[in-house]
Amino acid sequence: GAVVSQHPSRVICKSGTSVKIECRSLDFQATTMFWYRQFPKKSLMLMATSNEGSKATYEQGVEKDKFLINHASLTLSTLTVTSAHPEDSSFYICSARTSDYEQYFGPGTRLTVT
Amino acid sequence: GQNIDQPTEMTATEGAIVQINCTYQTSGFNGLFWYQQHAGEAPTFLSYNVLDGLEEKGRFSSFLSRSKGYSYLLLKELQMKDSASYLCAVMDSNYQLIWGAGTKLIIKP
Repeated sequence: GAVVSQHPSRVICKSGTSVKIECRSLDFQATTMFWYRQFPKKSLMLMATSNEGSKATYEQGVEKDKFLINHASLTLSTLTVTSAHPEDSSFYICSARTSDYEQYFGPGTRLTVT
Repeated sequence: GQNIDQPTEMTATEGAIVQINCTYQTSGFNGLFWYQQHAGEAPTFLSYNVLDGLEEKGRFSSFLSRSKGYSYLLLKELQMKDSASYLCAVMDSNYQLIWGAGTKLIIKP
């Protein structure tokens, strides 16, 4: 099956700093990637849809200036959490969509802001 | 509006069979997905149904009725490792996934 990697798997940062999370589709090209946030015991919350070569589409309530998304190639999308605060601590998961519209998830990144 | 409903929690016994239901109301339909998610991990793909009927894959089967807006995931010969959350998601007319809140399945010995 399709493989999606995410890096780093865990990151701890200080309040006010920025953190970049990478999402890569390893064995297929993904014109569309998605970024989700998941709170403990909650379902996935879609943050934004990332299309290669164009601006990301953010869901209502998600600050585009705080969560910067760059989909530079058909295999890489990055999410940068700028000026992180403790309330940004969460589990961030990316997924990549194949040409058959199946969606595969990365392993997730657990962000802790102190 | 768009809505996906599935039970919050279910309990079953090791070796038994359990059926997790999912009903949906979405703007358009381009398929229904089931994912398994263990605590602290990302979801993993289980099945995809776009036509009516039953799709069997080992111990797991998934059923779809588009006219009823209904699907179920059937797990047979339950094992302790099947304890997880099971997420139902529907792809709408814009090819976006609409997610259910997930069903937490607890397996007891």
